Amino acid sequence: GQNIDQPTEMTATEGAIVQINCTYQTSGFNGLFWYQQHAGEAPTFLSYNVLDGLEEKGRFSSFLSRSKGYSYLLLKELQMKDSASYLCAVRNAGNMLTFGGGTRLMVKP
Amino acid sequence: DTEVTQTPKHLVMGMTNKKSLKCEQHMGHRAMYWYKQKAKKPPELMFVYSYEKLSINESVPSRFSPECPNSSLLNLHLHALQPEDSALYLCASSQEGSSGGENEQFFGPGTRLTVL
Repeated sequence: GQNIDQPTEMTATEGAIVQINCTYQTSGFNGLFWYQQHAGEAPTFLSYNVLDGLEEKGRFSSFLSRSKGYSYLLLKELQMKDSASYLCAVRNAGNMLTFGGGTRLMVKP
Repeated sequence: DTEVTQTPKHLVMGMTNKKSLKCEQHMGHRAMYWYKQKAKKPPELMFVYSYEKLSINESVPSRFSPECPNSSLLNLHLHALQPEDSALYLCASSQEGSSGGENEQFFGPGTRLTVL
């Protein structure tokens, strides 16, 4: 089975940096994804890691350590529009995604 | 076209009704998925179609019946639903059903279903 943990809620200030952590225990690992979901909307793909290390995409970066079952999503220069839920999802060998509970991020002025 | 579309956007139905949710993509993706998402919860996988064949059914009750008429379309037929089935139903697609590479899933906007 899969067990994926992330904090339920986080608050940060506009312009700051925030790190959202995700820990996982899975039977079969074939990549970790981060999705952003605004209230009432579909999840949108942010990043993908399958090897250890950091992947950078503009203001967003994602890190993976497979030996520790750990990932984080780093958001820099926070903007108000970054207020959303951030979903960590682990893919198994059969291309099935299992989502963590999501982290609701609130960005304050 | 990098979009997954879903219709209807909202649906209200009684427990004796029969209705269908529709999903369409024109990205040439060969894997399509149905997820159910309750409020403030993550999406939960229901079904996976790979190359138009049902490859995964996550122990979903038979009152939900998926159908994949062709590689671009995915339907979810609903019959005799219960109020607890009220949720956001998300469709997604990816390049292929087998793993490997980024192969990320693209999600549609969802159908918000209310069962009375």
